[in-house]
Amino acid sequence: QKEVEQDPGPLSVPEGAIVSLNCTYSNSAFQYFMWYRQYSRKGPELLMYTYSSGNKEDGRFTAQVDKSSKYISLFIRDSQPSDSATYLCAAWGNFNKFYFGSGTKLNVKP
Amino acid sequence: SAVISQKPSRDICQRGTSLTIQCQVDSQVTMMFWYRQQPGQSLTLIATANQGSEATYESGFVIDKFPISRPNLTFSTLTVSNMSPEDSSIYLCSVLDMRAFFGQGTRLTVV
Repeated sequence: QKEVEQDPGPLSVPEGAIVSLNCTYSNSAFQYFMWYRQYSRKGPELLMYTYSSGNKEDGRFTAQVDKSSKYISLFIRDSQPSDSATYLCAAWGNFNKFYFGSGTKLNVKP
Repeated sequence: SAVISQKPSRDICQRGTSLTIQCQVDSQVTMMFWYRQQPGQSLTLIATANQGSEATYESGFVIDKFPISRPNLTFSTLTVSNMSPEDSSIYLCSVLDMRAFFGQGTRLTVV
């Protein structure tokens, strides 16, 4: 079992839709959770960063962590074609390295 | 947030040769990481490069194939040695500065 599991998609939605991206993790020692956006031929770009359980909002993006169920989510409101990219979740614990999901490819259709 | 400059951005190399990738950070960071990313795949950690000590390699990666230097807190290099077509991939440098930040990657094609 991988440390962080993520549905690879692809996920295709119409412009303006609410997008929900999800990951699960197996190690309860993970404390920090991140979401990255990666455009084609570019390096991953940090979108959201959360510590422990709860929600964090930044503009159209909301990151949610539920440590009781080991579930992390990213919600994108009013999705735009420019949101089309691959989204990677990541977790960090006391192991001196990050664990990444496999990435979900999102396509927002105009 | 840390700003990372990675060079070269891409290269096409002959099999059997070596390529050194450079990673420069605009601030001092303790931990730097090197990843490989196959097209359409997630990130695979090659090694962790810490200043003043030997790099720590993940299972499946060895120092002879991927030697790493970390001469100071703002710079690191990864060398891909004796390349074969299977080494064709994107190589990414990353640093830990409260969170992980990435360079733009080096797209390597071995022919």
